[in-house]
Amino acid sequence: AQKITQTQPGMFVQEKEAVTLDCTYDTSDQSYGLFWYKQPSSGEMIFLIYQGSYDEQNATEGRYSLNFQKARKSANLVISASQLGDSAMYFCAMRISGYALNFGKGTSLLVTP
Amino acid sequence: DSGVTQTPKHLITATGQRVTLRCSPRSGDLSVYWYQQSLDQGLQFLIQYYNGEERAKGNILERFSAQQFPDLHSELNLSSLELGDSALYFCASSVAGQGLTTDTQYFGPGTRLTVL
Repeated sequence: AQKITQTQPGMFVQEKEAVTLDCTYDTSDQSYGLFWYKQPSSGEMIFLIYQGSYDEQNATEGRYSLNFQKARKSANLVISASQLGDSAMYFCAMRISGYALNFGKGTSLLVTP
Repeated sequence: DSGVTQTPKHLITATGQRVTLRCSPRSGDLSVYWYQQSLDQGLQFLIQYYNGEERAKGNILERFSAQQFPDLHSELNLSSLELGDSALYFCASSVAGQGLTTDTQYFGPGTRLTVL
């Protein structure tokens, strides 16, 4: 079975600093996609970044980058220059062979002034 | 704004009742997914429709059902409601169905269901 593990229930970071949110996954499939979503206190789920299992370069989207280490089965999200508006829950998810997303339990990030 | 719309935003009802949640996907998206988010279970996949046909089922209870209409909007029907059904229900949409791991799912704002 495919599994996503986010071991950090809560993280703190100061404004303007970088923060890394951990995500490890378990699958025997060779083809899969890894996604990160942000859920602010208002509740909506916002897509942040995607990494494919065959992508050789780490994905980047603005201040978000994904540190993909395939051999270690990790897909950590790096947020650079944190802003107060980055305070939210962050979910790592995996998609196998085009099926539905399998989510981790999430990490709560609090950005302090 | 993801382009996915869900109504209603909030729903309060009593045990034993039946409710219908509605979702309109992004323009051009053929797949609709329903997810349930609760404190104890986290985010769980319920069911997927692709171009009007059921494509995949997850942890969906028999009391729950869904359909996707010709105009591609989808409805999730929850019946014989129990206290434990209280949760945030998300609809997501994507362009394709199965076969593509790159197919990003965009989520609607969710419907918060409270069963009293």
